[in-house]
Amino acid sequence: ELKVEQNPLFLSMQEGKNYTIYCNYSTTSDRLYWYRQDPGKSLESLFVLLSNGAVKQEGRLMASLDTKARLSTLHITAAVHDLSATYFCAELLIMNYGGSQGNLIFGKGTKLSVKP
Amino acid sequence: DTGVSQDPRHKITKRGQNVTFRCDPISEHNRLYWYRQTLGQGPEFLTYFQNEAQLEKSRLLSDRFSAERPKGSFSTLEIQRTEQGDSAMYLCASSLVSAVHSGNTIYFGEGSWLTVV
Repeated sequence: ELKVEQNPLFLSMQEGKNYTIYCNYSTTSDRLYWYRQDPGKSLESLFVLLSNGAVKQEGRLMASLDTKARLSTLHITAAVHDLSATYFCAELLIMNYGGSQGNLIFGKGTKLSVKP
Repeated sequence: DTGVSQDPRHKITKRGQNVTFRCDPISEHNRLYWYRQTLGQGPEFLTYFQNEAQLEKSRLLSDRFSAERPKGSFSTLEIQRTEQGDSAMYLCASSLVSAVHSGNTIYFGEGSWLTVV
């Protein structure tokens, strides 16, 4: 079964603290996407991770990919209120799982709330 | 580049009625996707097009759902005989070529909210 699992699903943080969101996926894909979604809004692309060991950083967010462990992480450094949103990871299917090559399989999302 | 555009943004319909959503992808993007998202869940794949060809449909897409992309540009998603379980946000996305080969990101539109009463 194709599955992407995020942990935790809810995260309440204080400003200035660090935390990590974990994303486990089920296939041999080496392509992993991270998106941000604000309430009632669409998905904003944050990172595209293309290979094992890939690490990308943008501001207070850093994403990494370990294809052997089938694990991606999104690390938040010194959180600020503006980072409050739901974060989704999604694996890109690179093999033909019933013809699904090239489609994204999403996790349930991690709802992040950053409090002063 | 105006992004992926969807219309209407919100639709309230009575059960049993038909609804149609339109998606205009980013210009020159030949891949177009439809996803559905319910509250508290991640988006679920429905179908996708490469140019005008519909290459795959998810099991989620019952025979009440039909999608077209007649000229390889905009796409429509029609739901016939709507049911309350169809209430969701319908997201359209596009990419330049298959992201499998290019590593390009996949861009999402603002979504079309459907409420079936």
